[in-house]
Amino acid sequence: QVTLKESGPGMLQPSQTLSLTCTFSGTSLSTSNMGLSWLRQPSGKGLEWLASIWNNDNYYNPSLRSRLTISKETSKNQVLLKFTSMEPADTATYYCATGSYFDYWGQGVMVTVSS
Amino acid sequence: DIVMTQAPLSVSVTPGESASISCRSSKSLLHSNGITYVYWYLQKPGKSPQLLIYRMSNLASGVPDRFSGSGSETDFTLKISRVEAEDVGIYYCGQLLENPLTFGSGTKLEIK
Repeated sequence: QVTLKESGPGMLQPSQTLSLTCTFSGTSLSTSNMGLSWLRQPSGKGLEWLASIWNNDNYYNPSLRSRLTISKETSKNQVLLKFTSMEPADTATYYCATGSYFDYWGQGVMVTVSS
Repeated sequence: DIVMTQAPLSVSVTPGESASISCRSSKSLLHSNGITYVYWYLQKPGKSPQLLIYRMSNLASGVPDRFSGSGSETDFTLKISRVEAEDVGIYYCGQLLENPLTFGSGTKLEIK
């Protein structure tokens, strides 16, 4: 049974950097073809893919590439996302999801950007 | 970017009847390997999205066989047979062929 859980600050001010952690169990990043992704969803709106990490390769949404960094701590079963220069438009629920097809999702963490 | 366009915006269905949701991509999602990289997800109220269909027509683990996916290179359909109350939520199609991965804007299914 694969489970994922996102954690983060909940609220931050404009221009600050968001640091999110996805902690998972039931699988391992050292498994071949095991990938993990970050997505977000503003309240009442659709899904936006942000970034993925597969083996030792990172992939980013080009529209946000300059602001995103995805990394992993394999021994801790964690994948991290840093998102710089946060602004109110970045207010959303942030999800991590695993697998080739976003097979499993975390419960999401709500992030509010406000002064 | 590949644009995914869903229709209708919402659908209201009587329990036991069928429902179909359409999704159109701005570019062919058929890869040279023969796989069509379109996926369907359901987001139940207050929950995270869950995978229903992968690679256009394959049922994800644990998903009832009332759900089915079909289509061509750019036009796709999710069909729900014998709709039940637990099927309410927002259905999204997504393409996992090209970066950036993109999703449709969603179709809300309600029960009459």
